[in-house]
Amino acid sequence: GAVVSQHPSRVICKSGTSVKIECRSLDFQATTMFWYRQFPKQSLMLMATSNEGSKATYEQGVEKDKFLINHASLTLSTLTVTSAHPEDSSFYICSAVPGQGFEETQYFGPGTRLLVL
Amino acid sequence: EDKVVQSPLSLVVHEGDTVTLNCSYEVTNFRSLLWYKQEKKAPTFLFMLTSSGIEKKSGRLSSILDKKELFSILNITATQTGDSAVYLCAVLTGTASKLTFGTGTRLQVTL
Repeated sequence: GAVVSQHPSRVICKSGTSVKIECRSLDFQATTMFWYRQFPKQSLMLMATSNEGSKATYEQGVEKDKFLINHASLTLSTLTVTSAHPEDSSFYICSAVPGQGFEETQYFGPGTRLLVL
Repeated sequence: EDKVVQSPLSLVVHEGDTVTLNCSYEVTNFRSLLWYKQEKKAPTFLFMLTSSGIEKKSGRLSSILDKKELFSILNITATQTGDSAVYLCAVLTGTASKLTFGTGTRLQVTL
């Protein structure tokens, strides 16, 4: 089946630093990838839709200058949390949709656990 | 705003029991409803439902969608401790394949 990887799986950083998280589709191309955030004991909240070759579409309430998304190729999207603060500590999960993005199946990455001290 | 609500929020059952998890939704441009199981990491896919009234089965798990009443149920029969997890319902909407997740139901199966 389709595999999506995320790197790193876990990161601890100091407040004020920036953290980059990579999401890769390993055996398929994905025009569209999604970034979610999940706080403890809560559900997944969509942060943004990442489209290859164009600007990401952010959900209401998500600061685009704080969460920079770059989808530079059909197999890689990156999320950079800039000037991270403790309230940004969360589980960040990406998903990828094969092909042109109209399919209904999203393949999830294993997630990145971010802890900001 | 699209909304997906699951009930109950949490559930504790004994091994061997049968459970029914509920998911109701209010969304625009509905395409499909999906069920996922989440243990410690990212969600794993269980079912995708697009048509009303057609039951999908996988082993002890089954699910059905009612598009008129805007809900779905996930049944697990003869529960095992390995079924302990958070079960997430999500609705796929629009042309951009956007998923809106429900609150999740935390299931604990005890011996």
